Amino acid sequence: AQSVTQLDSQVPVFEEAPVELRCNYSSSVSVYLFWYVQYPNQGLQLLLKYLSGSTLVKGINGFEAEFNKSQTSFHLRKPSVHISDTAEYFCAVSVSRHGSSNTGKLIFGQGTTLQVKP
Amino acid sequence: GAGVSQSPSNKVTEKGKDVELRCDPISGHTALYWYRQSLGQGLEFLIYFQGNSAPDKSGLPSDRFSAERTGGSVSTLTIQRTQQEDSAVYLCASSLQPNYGYTFGSGTRLTVV
Repeated sequence: AQSVTQLDSQVPVFEEAPVELRCNYSSSVSVYLFWYVQYPNQGLQLLLKYLSGSTLVKGINGFEAEFNKSQTSFHLRKPSVHISDTAEYFCAVSVSRHGSSNTGKLIFGQGTTLQVKP
Repeated sequence: GAGVSQSPSNKVTEKGKDVELRCDPISGHTALYWYRQSLGQGLEFLIYFQGNSAPDKSGLPSDRFSAERTGGSVSTLTIQRTQQEDSAVYLCASSLQPNYGYTFGSGTRLTVV
């Protein structure tokens, strides 16, 4: 079964510092990968996605993620964070099986809380 | 509509009562998903609708849970004989097509007392 592991439940970081939120997945078939963000008291918002092509994906708010097939990882990065980036971040995987349709059903990680301090 | 709409936003119910949660997806989105987010937990898949196909119910935790989608648009998630462990935020999402990325609603916070 597919699974997603977010290695850090909480990541504290000072404002303007770089940050990396780690995500590893388990799957023996090709995958589509997503990062979602949930700001306090708000719904989930799509940050970025990898479907195919370039392994470096750029998203909203200056975030980017790199798909690494050999390491089965999809880590999220930002070179300089702001207070407003404080939120919970979820990594998710959707599995595509050769020869059959993909439902788009996502398996989510447990989430990483990014706490940006002044 | 402009986004995915869920109602009610909050629901407090007594143990043993039935509840209905409603989701209005974005117009034209053929795929609709229900997830559950419990305190300190990730998102747990519940059920998926795609067009006129049979729904994927593989995530429903028990036979007390059911969902329907009428006319390929509005969906209702029903929980019968609610239990305290059903307390969670129930999230609905829709997508133009699989793997296009979800648009989530703001969720219904269900509290069973």
